Amino acid sequence: DIQMTQSPSTLSASVGDRVTITCRASQSVWSWLAWYQRKPGKAPKLLIYRASMLQRGVPSRFSASGSGTEFILTINSLQPDDFATYYCQQYDTFPYTFGQGTKLEIK
Amino acid sequence: EVQLVESGGGLVQPGGSLRISCAASGFTFTTYTMNWVRQAPGKALEWVSSISSSSADIYYADSVKGRFTISRDNSKSSLFLQLHSLRAEDTGVYFCARDQAISPRPPWDAFDLWGQGTMVTVSS
Repeated sequence: DIQMTQSPSTLSASVGDRVTITCRASQSVWSWLAWYQRKPGKAPKLLIYRASMLQRGVPSRFSASGSGTEFILTINSLQPDDFATYYCQQYDTFPYTFGQGTKLEIK
Repeated sequence: EVQLVESGGGLVQPGGSLRISCAASGFTFTTYTMNWVRQAPGKALEWVSSISSSSADIYYADSVKGRFTISRDNSKSSLFLQLHSLRAEDTGVYFCARDQAISPRPPWDAFDLWGQGTMVTVSS
């Protein structure tokens, strides 16, 4: 199985900050990688697909890059609504696998 | 409105069975691959199973293979997950999710539409 490792596990930041989250795959997943936002009591929300494609309706302060085994999610000018847990997911190979999550907290 | 609504969760004893459902509306269910994803309390999201639009292609996580069965009824725009031989580690919220690729065969794409989830608790 492909292991997905996110770093950091927890990130403290303030409104207006720029933050980055890294996701590493144990083998190449090409660009078959997605990023999701998860808030308690709410359904996960797709932010990014195919490593760098912004899902329709997602604010442009979210961006992502990478291919192969290393991927980055960047959030510019953090807004209060952005404090949540973020997951990467590879969908190159079954079984699909998620990272362990990065919890973005208010500093 | 485009939505997925799960139902059927509940409390079940270890070794027991449960069938959870997902009702789709607002889109052409028959053209999409569908998925189940779960999240145990305090844990990460975990992919459980995928089923193609025609049910020709089905995949399971090793942790549920042989115990869970995914199925769909395209005439009723419904997705199902039959859970057998349940264990405490199967406890969690179960989400159904739509694959955004309209393709009858893999490769597919990310999950663009999710339900709110249904809680399954396995405990004596």
